[in-house]
Amino acid sequence: AQSVTQPDIHITVSEGASLELRCNYSYGATPYLFWYVQSPGQGLQLLLKYFSGDTLVQGIKGFEAEFKRSQSSFNLRKPSVHWSDAAEYFCAVGARDNYGQNFVFGPGTRLSVLP
Amino acid sequence: GEEVAQTPKHLVRGEGQKAKLYCAPIKGHSYVFWYQQVLKNEFKFLISFQNENVFDETGMPKERFSAKCLPNSPCSLEIQATKLEDSAVYFCASSPSPEVYGYTFGSGTRLTVV
Repeated sequence: AQSVTQPDIHITVSEGASLELRCNYSYGATPYLFWYVQSPGQGLQLLLKYFSGDTLVQGIKGFEAEFKRSQSSFNLRKPSVHWSDAAEYFCAVGARDNYGQNFVFGPGTRLSVLP
Repeated sequence: GEEVAQTPKHLVRGEGQKAKLYCAPIKGHSYVFWYQQVLKNEFKFLISFQNENVFDETGMPKERFSAKCLPNSPCSLEIQATKLEDSAVYFCASSPSPEVYGYTFGSGTRLTVV
């Protein structure tokens, strides 16, 4: 079964600064990888996804993520953070051989943005 | 519509009472998933459907939880005899093909058991 870790529980950055949120997964083959964002009291919104091909994927709201097989990582990046990016970010992993196709979510990283 | 509609948004039940949550997936999405998010943000998979058929129910506490997705009706998640630890936000998600499109999530139902 797949698993995913997000080593940072809480990150604080200043508005305009760059951002990198870490995600590491455990799975025996190439997984499906996703980043979701959850604003307070809201559901989850898909930021970007990786299935195959180019390991650098672009998403919405100026986010990008890079799949690194050698490091089992799928870190989320943004060059310049906006105050509206403050939210909870979840990395999720799907297994290609998972009959049920359910995804496993990481514990989340809370992003705070200083003015 | 283009959103996953979950009702109600909030639900309060006394311990031991029944709770029923509803989810209308996006039209054309044949996969429906239920997740439970507890206070520490952990997402626990409960059950998935492909159309009206249960696809995977390995996460369901079967003694009290049940779920259905019937044709032409919203999907439902029912908890018999709620317990305090059932307090959580329950998210429904749908997809035409999870490995291609990922999930589209609803905004969740917050269940509080008192």
